[in-house]
Amino acid sequence: KAGVTQTPRYLIKTRGQQVTLSCSPISGHRSVSWYQQTPGQGLQFLFEYFSETQRNKGNFPGRFSGRQFSNSRSEMNVSTLELGDSALYLCASSEPGGELFFGEGSRLTVL
Amino acid sequence: KQEVTQIPAALSVPEGENLVLNCSFTDSAIYNLQWFRQDPGKGLTSLLLIQSSQREQTSGRLNASLDKSSGRSTLYIAASQPGDSATYLCAVWDSGNTGKLIFGQGTTLQVKP
Repeated sequence: KAGVTQTPRYLIKTRGQQVTLSCSPISGHRSVSWYQQTPGQGLQFLFEYFSETQRNKGNFPGRFSGRQFSNSRSEMNVSTLELGDSALYLCASSEPGGELFFGEGSRLTVL
Repeated sequence: KQEVTQIPAALSVPEGENLVLNCSFTDSAIYNLQWFRQDPGKGLTSLLLIQSSQREQTSGRLNASLDKSSGRSTLYIAASQPGDSATYLCAVWDSGNTGKLIFGQGTTLQVKP
């Protein structure tokens, strides 16, 4: 079974731009959650989608948004990028109530 | 608000030692607890999931225990190897069947040959 796939793996943007990150979950997993990892704040929950519906949202500004498609693939978008958005963005998939499996992450650098 | 703490923040041991990593959480009403490993620049690899009704889980040289009443979990690594060098993270589930985890800051382990 293929693992969680995230694209792109690395990207560089400038302040004010927007970015879209993609996540393909493990086949059969309908829950996809997103996390931001920074050296200062550690791993913080962004949001979770289940069957195309946002089920949970973390404490992030509205510039951070996401969606999930009917095939369970998910995207997250960050608009009006700020320097502080530089981070490793991790996606995880799971069956309801089951173990979370993470992808390799998308490393975003904002200049 | 649930808070997760991992002690120590860093640990350096010679190869072959048995070691214990600690994780504590403030709200004992957790659902599940999961231990992860992260290598530099990589994603998280799941090590062990302890469900709310369980007290421990074992996988190879790893054993994780959970004591909800005291708000603690420990990860025991037997006969450590240089390949075990990584950051170990524990996370508690915020509620039932959702994918929202609250993470500790991690313990960075170095195993010296």
